Amino acid sequence: ETGVTQTPRHLVMGMTNKKSLKCEQHLGHNAMYWYKQSAKKPLELMFVYSLEERVENNSVPSRFSPECPNSSHLFLHLHTLQPEDSALYLCASSQEADYYGYTFGSGTRLTVV
Amino acid sequence: TQLLEQSPQFLSIQEGENLTVYCNSSSVFSSLQWYRQEPGEGPVLLVTVVTGGEVKKLKRLTFQFGDARKDSSLHITAAQPGDTGLYLCAGAIGTSYGKLTFGQGTILTVHP
Repeated sequence: ETGVTQTPRHLVMGMTNKKSLKCEQHLGHNAMYWYKQSAKKPLELMFVYSLEERVENNSVPSRFSPECPNSSHLFLHLHTLQPEDSALYLCASSQEADYYGYTFGSGTRLTVV
Repeated sequence: TQLLEQSPQFLSIQEGENLTVYCNSSSVFSSLQWYRQEPGEGPVLLVTVVTGGEVKKLKRLTFQFGDARKDSSLHITAAQPGDTGLYLCAGAIGTSYGKLTFGQGTILTVHP
């Protein structure tokens, strides 16, 4: 496979559940990102990992917990979410920081009930 | 905080028409990117412009970076229904990670 792959594509979870989103990139990029996209809002950066170290954490609530075990894989662990956390969660990767742009995955559509 | 203002927010046109989307800021960017996003999918990078005054063409799409590297435009000639989607501009600052500033997007609908 090539590009950035996100699983699952759709997820419905209750507020007391624990689930994880997975992202995998086969591009040899050295940085990976989690973004949240809600209706009528610009893309919101959540976390950035460069060379497997977290370099940015945009004041995201602790119910979202990222994990980057290696340069090709990124996880977002979810627990005790709220309905307002329902959104499209996008993973992206890049080679030269922000400069040349990102390759995004197709996203996980999350619904919290 | 750097802001990127995109206009218009919504654009509904007939097949064959031309259109221009604008992306403006008071900040200077080291590069500016344009993405297109279709419903249920992630944004796809269309182009990156890095030099003030630069013009890039991608088939019927023409991208321009302003001389002062604060603004950009996307012009589509003879729009087709397949051009329908959300167009996003994004500005990068130097060698930062995760400092990409996204505009709020332009939703384009091209009717057959």
